[in-house]
Amino acid sequence: ILNVEQSPQSLHVQEGDSTNFTCSFPSSNFYALHWYRWETAKSPEALFVMTLNGDEKKKGRISATLNTKEGYSYLYIKGSQPEDSATYLCAFESGNTGKLIFGQGTTLQVKP
Amino acid sequence: ETGVTQTPRHLVMGMTNKKSLKCEQHLGHNAMYWYKQSAKKPLELMFVYSLEERVENNSVPSRFSPECPNSSHLFLHLHTLQPEDSALYLCASSQGIREGCTFGSGTRLTVV
Repeated sequence: ILNVEQSPQSLHVQEGDSTNFTCSFPSSNFYALHWYRWETAKSPEALFVMTLNGDEKKKGRISATLNTKEGYSYLYIKGSQPEDSATYLCAFESGNTGKLIFGQGTTLQVKP
Repeated sequence: ETGVTQTPRHLVMGMTNKKSLKCEQHLGHNAMYWYKQSAKKPLELMFVYSLEERVENNSVPSRFSPECPNSSHLFLHLHTLQPEDSALYLCASSQGIREGCTFGSGTRLTVV
């Protein structure tokens, strides 16, 4: 059974704080690692798709790193804003199947 | 209209009913997906269609029956569901199996 674990489950930070959370995934048969942001009452939105060990991607204040050998990815948010409040999901893609295995997500609450 | 559109947004059905969920994408993508999110569980892939051919069904019970008549439309036919099938059903599309997905807003299904 392939397992994707995200930690922490939830996080409360003050506006302006920087934060990061972790996604752990199987290190074998890796194809891609996806990050999504899911705001309440909206659809999940793709942030990054990462494929190469050592990959680092950035979108505004959000960045992500990837280590496929040890099976983890970090998502960083610099200078959190209230609009960053959402659940952040990672998904592991094994082989060229299109099958994404999602973690349970990290729910971030940014207080003004 | 752009993006991925799902109807209905909410559905309440009895265990003996037959209903269908509809998904339409206006992005020119060639792959479409059905996901299920039950309470306190990760997003779970149900079906993948690539170029209108089903490539993954993930051992979903036969009371869920997908249909993909063309690359823009995806249906999920429901019959004799159980209360534990109550969940949020999300449709998604992507351009190629390996790309990030664009999700619809989901159908909140309640089986009574």
